[in-house]
Amino acid sequence: SAVISQKPSRDICQRGTSLTIQCQVDSQVTMMFWYRQQPGQSLTLIATANQGSEATYESGFVIDKFPISRPNLTFSTLTVSNMSPEDSSIYLCSADRRGTDTQYFGPGTRLTVL
Amino acid sequence: TQLLEQSPQFLSIQEGENLTVYCNSSSVFSSLQWYRQEPGEGPVLLVTVVTGGEVKKLKRLTFQFGDARKDSSLHITAAQPGDTGLYLCAGDSSGSARQLTFGSGTQLTVLP
Repeated sequence: SAVISQKPSRDICQRGTSLTIQCQVDSQVTMMFWYRQQPGQSLTLIATANQGSEATYESGFVIDKFPISRPNLTFSTLTVSNMSPEDSSIYLCSADRRGTDTQYFGPGTRLTVL
Repeated sequence: TQLLEQSPQFLSIQEGENLTVYCNSSSVFSSLQWYRQEPGEGPVLLVTVVTGGEVKKLKRLTFQFGDARKDSSLHITAAQPGDTGLYLCAGDSSGSARQLTFGSGTQLTVLP
């Protein structure tokens, strides 16, 4: 399996500020993804992080609100911009390890916006 | 939009009981994955089923993929407190686990 780390693990932020979440994978992967999850609920895909190019966003998510970078095969960042309390959620990074066709998940970042 | 409905949404049982969680869709998936998630952690893959009618066993857990590849079930025998968690099914329509559609989730609590 791939080992995926995220930081920060949790944060409490003020309305109107931005937070950047980092995701690091221990081995080369093909695809990296960002999800949002309300506690105890299912996962919603935000976007696919593409290496060296703009991320591919799902319906309801836009680059201005959730800019994503992926400068290399093993690292990606998600920024939650101009936060409001509605952005309070768990943000998860996942990756599929080359040759396995299986997605592995990071531990998540629990964000609370006041 | 492909939807995966899981039932039940919540389940609280006593240690030693059996249970079944269902995952249903009107869409066909090339494969279906089951994950378990514990508080403060990301989902952990339990199994992937690929062939219609396939049955896979993982100790006390039995997973089945429907013949039409639209539905799946997870059966746990003699549940233990360690089975407590959020169970998620996820359908793959791309054939490479790159476009997963997650089910609504089943929160299982096994009481000692």
